[in-house]
Amino acid sequence: AQTVTQSQPEMSVQEAETVTLSCTYDTSESDYYLFWYKQPPSRQMILVIRQEAYKQQNATENRFSVNFQKAAKSFSLKISDSQLGDAAMYFCAYRSAEEPSGSARQLTFGSGTQLTVLP
Amino acid sequence: KAGVTQTPRYLIKTRGQQVTLSCSPISGHRSVSWYQQTPGQGLQFLFEYFSETQRNKGNFPGRFSGRQFSNSRSEMNVSTLELGDSALYLCASSLEGGGIDTQYFGPGTRLTVL
Repeated sequence: AQTVTQSQPEMSVQEAETVTLSCTYDTSESDYYLFWYKQPPSRQMILVIRQEAYKQQNATENRFSVNFQKAAKSFSLKISDSQLGDAAMYFCAYRSAEEPSGSARQLTFGSGTQLTVLP
Repeated sequence: KAGVTQTPRYLIKTRGQQVTLSCSPISGHRSVSWYQQTPGQGLQFLFEYFSETQRNKGNFPGRFSGRQFSNSRSEMNVSTLELGDSALYLCASSLEGGGIDTQYFGPGTRLTVL
């Protein structure tokens, strides 16, 4: 079974600064997908960024980028120019790409990192 | 397009009762997944439905069940409620349910069991 670990329960960053959230995962599979979701106080989960394991290039979405290290099984999220609206719980998630594996149909989440943005 | 909707948003039940939660996916999405979120256990996968068939089930007791209708709307049912079932129940929809498909989440149903 796959596991996802987020070792930082809480992080804080000054507005306009950069912060990196860590995520490691354990899997024996070679093909999979990784995601970062944010959950603001409204509790609505929102996709931030996603990465396909077979792609070596790190994904980028505006101020959000990832550092994907497949050999190290690490998938960190960098938020640049942090804004007050970035304050949320951030979850790292894994999904298998190997059909018909049951885990190809579900997201396995880490325990989350609560990000506070200081004005 | 309208997002994923879940009803009701809040529920209060007592132990032993049963409850039904509803999820309407984004139009065109055929896969619906359910997750339970609690402070202690975090986000845990319950089950996934595609074209009215349950394709995958998480490690939950048989008191948790679900179904999907021909219009892709889904319901989950919890029978004989226990205090530990108090949680935020999240529904997510996607086109096919696998691969790089993005799962779009609803706002959740907050269930409190007294």
